[in-house]
Amino acid sequence: KAGVTQTPRYLIKTRGQQVTLSCSPISGHRSVSWYQQTPGQGLQFLFEYFSETQRNKGNFPGRFSGRQFSNSRSEMNVSTLELGDSALYLCASSLGGLPYEKLFFGSGTQLSVL
Amino acid sequence: AQKVTQAQTEISVVEKEDVTLDCVYETRDTTYYLFWYKQPPSGELVFLIRRNSFDEQNEISGRYSWNFQKSTSSFNFTITASQVVDSAVYFCALTTSGTYKYIFGTGTRLKVLA
Repeated sequence: KAGVTQTPRYLIKTRGQQVTLSCSPISGHRSVSWYQQTPGQGLQFLFEYFSETQRNKGNFPGRFSGRQFSNSRSEMNVSTLELGDSALYLCASSLGGLPYEKLFFGSGTQLSVL
Repeated sequence: AQKVTQAQTEISVVEKEDVTLDCVYETRDTTYYLFWYKQPPSGELVFLIRRNSFDEQNEISGRYSWNFQKSTSSFNFTITASQVVDSAVYFCALTTSGTYKYIFGTGTRLKVLA
């Protein structure tokens, strides 16, 4: 069974640009959540989707947005990139039926903003 | 407010030593779930254990053991006879029923030296 797939693995952008990251969950998983990981900050919750609906959202500015498609694949978009957006963005999937399921993580997308 | 604190930023031990990683959590909810995840250099977080707030039984799995104490709001993780392959960043996380949001600590980097 394939794991959670995130693309691209690495991304370099400049300030002001926008970026779209993609996540394909494990087959059968309907919940996808996104986390930002920076040194010293740990993982910060961005948002969670289940069956194309956002069920929760973290404390990030509106420049961060996401969506989920009918096949459960998800994308997150960051507009008007800032230097502080440089981070590892992790996607996690779960079956989604219960709010305390274990998460399966992808290897992440390392975003560098210059 | 919910919070997870991992006060140990980095720990170095020599192979075969025992090591305990500390995790202290805060929540006002009576129903909550605690997790430990391991992040090896590849970046992909791997689930280790989940505990609910009603089950304070300690658990042992091979060289790993967990000590959950509600009285001190702690969920500590011990590795017995550490090995070089245990080198990774370990995260403690908390979620409460219905939020679909996981609060992670800042992680503890464990280095096991040969």
